[in-house]
Amino acid sequence: EAEVAQSPRYKITEKSQAVAFWCDPISGHATLYWYRQILGQGPELLVQFQDESVVDDSQLPKDRFSAERLKGVDSTLKIQPAELGDSAMYLCASSLGPDRLKLFFGEGSRLTVL
Amino acid sequence: TQLLEQSPQFLSIQEGENLTVYCNSSSVFSSLQWYRQEPGEGPVLLVTVVTGGEVKKLKRLTFQFGDARKDSSLHITAAQPGDTGLYLCAGGGNTDKLIFGTGTRLQVFP
Repeated sequence: EAEVAQSPRYKITEKSQAVAFWCDPISGHATLYWYRQILGQGPELLVQFQDESVVDDSQLPKDRFSAERLKGVDSTLKIQPAELGDSAMYLCASSLGPDRLKLFFGEGSRLTVL
Repeated sequence: TQLLEQSPQFLSIQEGENLTVYCNSSSVFSSLQWYRQEPGEGPVLLVTVVTGGEVKKLKRLTFQFGDARKDSSLHITAAQPGDTGLYLCAGGGNTDKLIFGTGTRLQVFP
């Protein structure tokens, strides 16, 4: 069964360093989402792409976070510089687009900032 | 801002017991989804409800969407240890944006 691939699964970094997360959605899925999830809480949307275009980045801290999906397939989420409060699980999800009610999530990238 | 509050936040029960998790909002949603998330994994979709008053059953799980499409409930009958996890409701509007609830962490002991 096709899956959303994310890497790395775990990342430990020191504050002020740069980190990057990668996501490869299910083939053919036009919509890609990056969520941040604090332990035990619900995911919060950071950015949503439709193909290569950003359709919602209203909750993305743009002073330190950036996201791109240059060819409309895989995507990268970057944090520079990382802060202690960025420690969280970063989840990528994709959907077909027209069937936008069904999101498929990757296993996530857990970030710890020391 | 649309918010989805879930209750209870934590639930710890014995195998065989029944339980209900609630998801409430002051906003109307066009659809409501329930996900289950296990530690270290991403959420997995359980069900989507789209019609006010709709009830869906998935084995021992019963999902209901409120008549006004502002709230939902998840009822589990005869809980099993395999039901342990974080249960998340998520509301969908007209803009593809999915708003997740605050989550309910369920622990079922054998």
